[in-house]
Amino acid sequence: NAGVMQNPRHLVRRRGQEARLRCSPMKGHSHVYWYRQLPEEGLKFMVYLQKENIIDESGMPKERFSAEFPKEGPSILRIQQVVRGDSAAYFCASSDWAGSSYEQYFGPGTRLTVT
Amino acid sequence: GESVGLHLPTLSVQEGDNSIINCAYSNSASDYFIWYKQESGKGPQFIIDIRSNMDKRQGQRVTVLLNKTVKHLSLQIAATQPGDSAVYFCAEMLRGGSNYKLTFGKGTLLTVNP
Repeated sequence: NAGVMQNPRHLVRRRGQEARLRCSPMKGHSHVYWYRQLPEEGLKFMVYLQKENIIDESGMPKERFSAEFPKEGPSILRIQQVVRGDSAAYFCASSDWAGSSYEQYFGPGTRLTVT
Repeated sequence: GESVGLHLPTLSVQEGDNSIINCAYSNSASDYFIWYKQESGKGPQFIIDIRSNMDKRQGQRVTVLLNKTVKHLSLQIAATQPGDSAVYFCAEMLRGGSNYKLTFGKGTLLTVNP
């Protein structure tokens, strides 16, 4: 039973380029969350999506960042015109509330480095 | 013992000892809490959760205690092993409506000495 998949695991971009991070949730999960982690800090919530809907994007920067979770395919976190401050680890988590647990299962993360 | 370093709080224990990791959460309305373990270069891994209507929950070698009066969580690890070395995060959630995001604490680095 595959867990949450993220790719790429490592991504290097020059300032001004675009970064696309992909997340495939666990099988049967329809809720996806994106978090950002700076070195030696906890994870910070960015956005919560269900299929074709953004539920809560209160943690997303207002500019350059966008996220989607289409009916088919993985969830995408897109960062346009990257800057050095975007360098971080980006984690995706998924959950399924068919049961009584609100546990979020995390992927291995994508480490973005902006040069 | 426990100390606060330049960044992460750290806890260093001997193999076989019990470990206690503490966390102060921020929102008195939070009603669900999770402890995660994060090893270097990996994503957070679920350890144990607890709802706000409980004050204690036990798993395999781990126990979580919740004190809502002072907004405090602790994670107790029995017979700590070298494989337990990692950063441990507590996370809180206020369930309801569209608000199911996790708010993470700063984390504690646990080092287990053989």
